[in-house]
Amino acid sequence: ETGVTQTPRHLVMGMTNKKSLKCEQHLGHNAMYWYKQSAKKPLELMFVYSLEERVENNSVPSRFSPECPNSSHLFLHLHTLQPEDSALYLCASSQVALLGETQYFGPGTRLLVL
Amino acid sequence: AQSVAQPEDQVNVAEGNPLTVKCTYSVSGNPYLFWYVQYPNRGLQFLLKYITGDNLVKGSYGFEAEFNKSQTSFHLKKPSALVSDSALYFCAVRDMDTGRRALTFGSGTRLQVQP
Repeated sequence: ETGVTQTPRHLVMGMTNKKSLKCEQHLGHNAMYWYKQSAKKPLELMFVYSLEERVENNSVPSRFSPECPNSSHLFLHLHTLQPEDSALYLCASSQVALLGETQYFGPGTRLLVL
Repeated sequence: AQSVAQPEDQVNVAEGNPLTVKCTYSVSGNPYLFWYVQYPNRGLQFLLKYITGDNLVKGSYGFEAEFNKSQTSFHLKKPSALVSDSALYFCAVRDMDTGRRALTFGSGTRLQVQP
């Protein structure tokens, strides 16, 4: 596997379910990100981990809980979601640098909350 | 605060013609600017970036972009469009003078290249 991978690619869940999204990067990077992409809206940054420490959190509801156990893996734990949480969830990674690091994205998990 | 505007929801161009996808930005400091492309059911794919130096940046698949500080613009261009260039294009900015890693994305422009 190369680049950034995400599993599952598609997920349907009820509002009372608990599920987790997984992201793995094979690029040797040390920063990882979760973004939400909804129809007709710009990508929204949810969380940033740098060197496995959460460094940014864009006021995301507590029903989304990130976990970064090491520099290669990132999880997004989901519980009691709402239908408006249906979206494409994108993971990205980058190598922290002094100048203009590039974020590389995975293919995303398309989530449908019923 | 940082922001990006992509004023066109969709751009239509005939194959072989030049294309331009517009982007303007706003940051309080100096910008890092990026273009990404998204094909259906795929994640975002990096095309090119401006960090510093030459205002004309060349990227993947024959795309280029010109940084214009006075107009706060970073338009994406290609001299000759291909049908396979049809996709959703996103401009993004990061303020290099803050400590934040976050990119702010525009709303995206759908490029349709007609045969």
